[in-house]
Amino acid sequence: DSGVTQTPKHLITATGQRVTLRCSPRSGDLSVYWYQQSLDQGLQFLIHYYNGEERAKGNILERFSAQQFPDLHSELNLSSLELGDSALYFCASSTTRTGSGEQFFGPGTRLTVL
Amino acid sequence: DQQVKQNSPSLSVQEGRISILNCDYTNSMFDYFLWYKKYPAEGPTFLISISSIKDKNEDGRFTVFLNKSAKHLSLHIVPSQPGDSAVYFCAARGYGGSQGNLIFGKGTKLSVKP
Repeated sequence: DSGVTQTPKHLITATGQRVTLRCSPRSGDLSVYWYQQSLDQGLQFLIHYYNGEERAKGNILERFSAQQFPDLHSELNLSSLELGDSALYFCASSTTRTGSGEQFFGPGTRLTVL
Repeated sequence: DQQVKQNSPSLSVQEGRISILNCDYTNSMFDYFLWYKKYPAEGPTFLISISSIKDKNEDGRFTVFLNKSAKHLSLHIVPSQPGDSAVYFCAARGYGGSQGNLIFGKGTKLSVKP
């Protein structure tokens, strides 16, 4: 158990809809990262928040947005969903206490868009 | 363009033998490289990392080698055990110091046969 929690575990929805994925980082970790894993793909970095502020953006679509709240949990909002958005979405957290900055991943949310 | 490449989608090894997983990268600005292991229906789990100023790091049965001139790293698992069967991802840390996002390869599926 990494200490990172994600809800829901599975989500099935229709095209055009909007969903919210939730992540709680490990206790004490200020950084939260979101990654997307599509079929046969590696994990693609979406966005990074540090202590409530956006730090970096990767290949995140304009239809997607995220935020990190004062209690450090984060939400990833996906809107106007398309079939191609079906993927595993992982949240990770990290600490500044180690130089290598290894990230600890949650179990993921599997999104299916029908 | 893929900055981190794992060219072997799969690898099969006999129990007790050495497993060697390979990874190539194109960006000389990466400062840390990490290996993650992933079982089905779980998030990636951190295994071992190496700083770009080192050429070897060892942790129990796992050793990572870095060849900067060739922009190549490898993960050695000795001896391999059936429980090591999983997908292994190579990752490189991007800009942002210890809080930088990770850039992942597409993974190599390792099967260790009893």
